[in-house]
This record gives sequence, structure tokens and C-alpha cells, in this order.
Amino acid sequence: GAGVSQSPRYKVTKRGQDVALRCDPISGHVSLYWYRQALGQGPEFLTYFNYEAQQDKSGLPNDRFSAERPEGSISTLTIQRTEQRDSAMYRCASNHHREASQETQYFGPGTRLLVL
Amino acid sequence: GIQVEQSPPDLILQEGANSTLRCNFSDSVNNLQWFHQNPWGQLINLFYIPSGTKQNGRLSATTVATERYSLLYISSSQTTDSGVYFCAVGQYGGSQGNLIFGKGTKLSVKP
Repeated sequence: GAGVSQSPRYKVTKRGQDVALRCDPISGHVSLYWYRQALGQGPEFLTYFNYEAQQDKSGLPNDRFSAERPEGSISTLTIQRTEQRDSAMYRCASNHHREASQETQYFGPGTRLLVL
Repeated sequence: GIQVEQSPPDLILQEGANSTLRCNFSDSVNNLQWFHQNPWGQLINLFYIPSGTKQNGRLSATTVATERYSLLYISSSQTTDSGVYFCAVGQYGGSQGNLIFGKGTKLSVKP
């Protein structure tokens, strides 16, 4: 079936603008994760959901970042008042089980965000 | 928190050569995955291997959980194997759902 999809694939915005990044997980997957990846680094955890409940948001860098998954499927990561340091690849992943540690996480293609 | 170290950071191979990539982690884990990030930025699952050995074609992986390391073997390398290989681990329980990634091994396979 279809994998994890993300949109847009590329986003260029001006400093101070708000952006919304979308993730559509694999159908039926309970858990959904957001990661951020800087150039030359591995992905770093931002937040995750089981169904519509946000289980952990400890990785969100500050209060300009928020995420929601209102119906337990599609999720949106919103960055308000973007800054140049927010430029990165934003990756979404999903898996079937509530206990993420118990199985493979599948990653989407990512959204590359550039803040000018 | 748990630390994940990958070695070597960079590796250049001639096509056809074999290689071994290593991942060390500092605490007990119950999830360990290997990924290949291709030159187009896609992150592709290779193995889910919290313990034991698995093989998939020219690739194989072994995790020795008691000694806190995992190895990824690439045999008869091809230019399409180029990219960055990441090891990522996860821990038990509670709200801990995330994977913690190493910094990766950048592999370049020359024709």
C-alpha cells in the first residue's frame, strides 16, 4: 500500500511567516512521529502521537512549534514566526503499534524548509 | 539520555568491495533500526534488528544487545549503495516513543 506522505516537499518562506507541514501516515498506523534533520546530522525527535493524543512533545524546541493530529490520522506541524535557524528537513514517521519501540518506524520523504 | 555512536564517519570503497559499519549504544534498547539515506534524501528502512542476525540480499546486520552494539555488513558494494547509513535506537515504555539516531556513516562507492 501507500507509504507515509508529506507535503509540501519543499517550502521556501520569509522570516516571520508561519508555515504548516502536513503528514499523512500509512493507513491504520496508530503512532505518528515528527523529526527534524539538520544538514549532516541524523534526525532528531520533536513529538509523537498515539491516535489523536500527543504523547510526548519534549523535543519541540520552543513554543513557536506545535503539532496536532485531531482525527488520529493526518498530522500538521506548525511553525509560527519562522526564523532562519528553523531551516531543516522535517520528517514524519508512523508505525502500527502503540509502543513505538516494538516495531519498525516508516519514514516519509520529508519536507525541506528554507527560511530566508 | 542514551548515546548512539557510529563508525566510521566516512567510508570510500571501490565497487565490489565489502564493508562493515558499526553502531554502539550506551544503554539497553528494545528497538534498533538501520536506515539508508540515499542521495535524494529518502530515508529507507533496511533492518529492524533489536537483537540477532538478519540478511537481505547483499546486506546483513547483527545486533549483540548484551554488549550494546550492532553491525551492518555490505557485500559486493555497488555505486547505488552510496549515501548515509543511520543507526537508530528506541527504549522501553511509558511515553518514550522516539528513535534516537546516530550521526551516520557516509559511504561513497566508486565505479
